[in-house]
Amino acid sequence: AQSVTQLDSQVPVFEEAPVELRCNYSSSVSVYLFWYVQYPNQGLQLLLKYLSGSTLVKGINGFEAEFNKSQTSFHLRKPSVHISDTAEYFCAVRGAYGGATNKLIFGTGTLLAVQP
Amino acid sequence: DTGVSQDPRHKITKRGQNVTFRCDPISEHNRLYWYRQTLGQGPEFLTYFQNEAQLEKSRLLSDRFSAERPKGSFSTLEIQRTEQGDSAMYLCASSSSGSSYNEQFFGPGTRLTVL
Repeated sequence: AQSVTQLDSQVPVFEEAPVELRCNYSSSVSVYLFWYVQYPNQGLQLLLKYLSGSTLVKGINGFEAEFNKSQTSFHLRKPSVHISDTAEYFCAVRGAYGGATNKLIFGTGTLLAVQP
Repeated sequence: DTGVSQDPRHKITKRGQNVTFRCDPISEHNRLYWYRQTLGQGPEFLTYFQNEAQLEKSRLLSDRFSAERPKGSFSTLEIQRTEQGDSAMYLCASSSSGSSYNEQFFGPGTRLTVL
């Protein structure tokens, strides 16, 4: 079984400042890792994913994340945030092996609040 | 391609009533998922279909919940005898088994409020 921990429920940051949203996971098997963004009253949109290969992955809207197997982390970063980045961000995991369930396991989310 | 659609977007009901939600996946996707998201939490998996077959159900899906995908296209999620604890956002997602990692595309959700 897998689990995801997002310790920060809310991250306030000023516009144009850098930001890091933390995600740690637990799994006894290989995993795929994802970051989703949810704007108010909308569904989830995939920001980026780690499947294999390079541990630094780049996504949409200038976001990137780094997979660290030894620390079981997949932190999301952006060098300069905009007001429009204000949203809820979810880290998710699923098994990456033959026969793995297709369901995604989500963290509790981090609200990124960008202030002018 | 219009994406995943869900209907209705909002539903207010009284405790004890039955409700039914519909999800229309992306047309070429053969996999369909239902998740539930309560306030302040991440989405939690409820159930998953491949074509018409319901292949996995969470223990969160009590006897009052039933999901169907009769023709392998749209799906319905019914909640019988609703309780206040059923108030949540119900999200539907779809994916293609032909893609390398089955990226799930999410719909806008149906927000249920049980009074």
